[in-house]
Amino acid sequence: DAGVTQSPTHLIKTRGQQVTLRCSPKSGHDTVSWYQQALGQGPQFIFQYYEEEERQRGNFPDRFSGHQFPNYSSELNVNALLLGDSALYLCASSVVSSNYGYTFGSGTRLTVV
Amino acid sequence: GENVEQHPSTLSVQEGDSAVIKCTYSDSASNYFPWYKQELGKGPQLIIDIRSNVGEKKDQRIAVTLNKTAKHFSLHITETQPEDSAVYFCAARRDDKIIFGKGTRLHILP
Repeated sequence: DAGVTQSPTHLIKTRGQQVTLRCSPKSGHDTVSWYQQALGQGPQFIFQYYEEEERQRGNFPDRFSGHQFPNYSSELNVNALLLGDSALYLCASSVVSSNYGYTFGSGTRLTVV
Repeated sequence: GENVEQHPSTLSVQEGDSAVIKCTYSDSASNYFPWYKQELGKGPQLIIDIRSNVGEKKDQRIAVTLNKTAKHFSLHITETQPEDSAVYFCAARRDDKIIFGKGTRLHILP
């Protein structure tokens, strides 16, 4: 049973560019949450998708947007990249309103130069 | 919104000794408290969790305690081993959103 898979694993982009990160949730999970983890920090909640809709959002600007597809996979898009967007981006999947924690992928390391 | 404070930020213990990490949360409506372990280059992995209707839970060498009144919860690792070296995160969930602490880097000394 595959867990959460994310692609790509590493990415280098130039300031001002746009990036798309992808996530496939664990089998049986219907909810995807995205987190940003800066070096030496805890994961910061970006947003959560369920039934192809953004369900909750953290304190991130509109440059961060997402999408969920009918097969529950998800994308995270970041426009007008800033140097400060360099981080590990984590995708986590879960079952909506369940009493269990999230299952995380290994993340995408984004470096903005 | 929920705020989770975690300390210490770094902890070094002798192999075989116990390690304790403490967290506090702000939102009394939070009802689920997971602990994650993150190794270098990997995503966080759930190691143990506790729900708000339980005061203590144990799984082999790992235990968690929860004091709802004080909004405190703690992770206890006994008989530490080299493979316990990692970053540990506490977290609190409300309404399907999980908020993390800033993490504790645990070093197990030989």
